Amino acid sequence: SSGLTQPPSVSVSPGQTASISCSGDPLSFQHAYWYQQKAGQAPVLVIYKDSERPSGIPERFSGSSSGTTVTLTISGAQAEDEGDYYCQSTDNSGTYVVFGGGTKLTVL
Amino acid sequence: QVQLVESGGGVVQPARSLRLTCAGSGFTFRDYAMHWLRQAPGRGLEWVAVLSYDASNKYYADSVRGRFTISRDNSKNTLYLQMNSLRVEDTAVYYCAREELFAKSGMDVWGQGTAVTVSS
Repeated sequence: SSGLTQPPSVSVSPGQTASISCSGDPLSFQHAYWYQQKAGQAPVLVIYKDSERPSGIPERFSGSSSGTTVTLTISGAQAEDEGDYYCQSTDNSGTYVVFGGGTKLTVL
Repeated sequence: QVQLVESGGGVVQPARSLRLTCAGSGFTFRDYAMHWLRQAPGRGLEWVAVLSYDASNKYYADSVRGRFTISRDNSKNTLYLQMNSLRVEDTAVYYCAREELFAKSGMDVWGQGTAVTVSS
């Protein structure tokens, strides 16, 4: 299967660490990307190539990869980090873009 | 500043056509592959199509192949999505996004989206 699987929701207390997983066969040989989408806004890239952080993204955002699973970690989550998070990769051929179903992060 | 601005959305009847436009500014448009993505109400992100920087390669999601056409005019810094034979299930906010494919840097700039509603 070329689909990506994410948990529908994750909750974390302010200041604690949130981890969002994403699993799928393509992840064993294709890079993963993570996007944050706040309500009513366009998505924002927060991690690329599994673990790289674009300029302007806070250091508390990090990514890791192991086999067919990638993980987005938010260390010291803040209220402003609430939103939906989507993992993205490409299919086995490297041509077609695939997204996970998204994870709603709640910080409370 | 680096920006993508979509336009052309609206309400359209099933089986009709619509053309979306994405205007880029603040960067060298011709250096980037460009994507169209969409998000149905209350749903997740769905990739629609991608076009290489020079328009030589284009790929589509199964859900739109044969009905939608992606194109670009690098002289105008503009990306297009021609949508024909629209269906109710095409109702969504449509986004364009850029990607520097060789660097594998991801879709690092997105537009604000334009809403398409397909309804009789």
